[in-house]
Amino acid sequence: QITLKESGPTLVKPTQTLTLTCTFSGFSLSTSGVGVGWIRQPPGKALEWLALIYWDDDKNYSPSLKSRLTITKDTSKNQVVLTMTNMDPVDTATYYCAHRRAGQPLDYWGQGTLVTVSS
Amino acid sequence: DIVMTQSPDSLAVSLGERATINCKSSQSVLYSSNNKNYLAWYQQKPGQPPKLLIYWASTRESGVPDRFSGSGSGTDFTLTISSLQAEDVAVYYCQQCYTTPLTFGGGTKVEIK
Repeated sequence: QITLKESGPTLVKPTQTLTLTCTFSGFSLSTSGVGVGWIRQPPGKALEWLALIYWDDDKNYSPSLKSRLTITKDTSKNQVVLTMTNMDPVDTATYYCAHRRAGQPLDYWGQGTLVTVSS
Repeated sequence: DIVMTQSPDSLAVSLGERATINCKSSQSVLYSSNNKNYLAWYQQKPGQPPKLLIYWASTRESGVPDRFSGSGSGTDFTLTISSLQAEDVAVYYCQQCYTTPLTFGGGTKVEIK
């Protein structure tokens, strides 16, 4: 059974760096073809894909946010970490992590974590 | 980037009636080597994460009721709920997984008339 859970701060100040952790079970990020992605959703708005990391450490980023994002994995801990620098109130959103096999959609999602950016 | 455009933004359908949602991609998401369309549909209910309904444009995820069906190819796709149930009230998103950046449509809110 695949599960994912996001954790991190619920409130960050403008200009600060956000660090979110996705802790998962039921699969290994050392298995060929497996990836974990991050997606966010501002309140009442649509989904926005942010980043992906694969078993071979290949990484993809949203072009519009690439300069602010870093995604890493710790295979031994079954964790994926996303950092986003220079946070702004427009970054207020629910942040989700999700499982993906290469070429497939995002098939398992965490429950999400709401991050508010405010001074 | 591949832009995904959904229509309508919202629709209200009577219980037991058909609901149809459209999704158009700015370029083809058909992978010629395997003839698969890399298009997925998700359902999102309030306060919940998205749930994968359909992938490869027309393949239902395990456990998804057969009243949900997907069709289309290339750049034009449709999600159909053949007989709307109360539990189908949600926002539905299409997404292309043909290439990164992965992109989503703007969502279609389905309500009961």
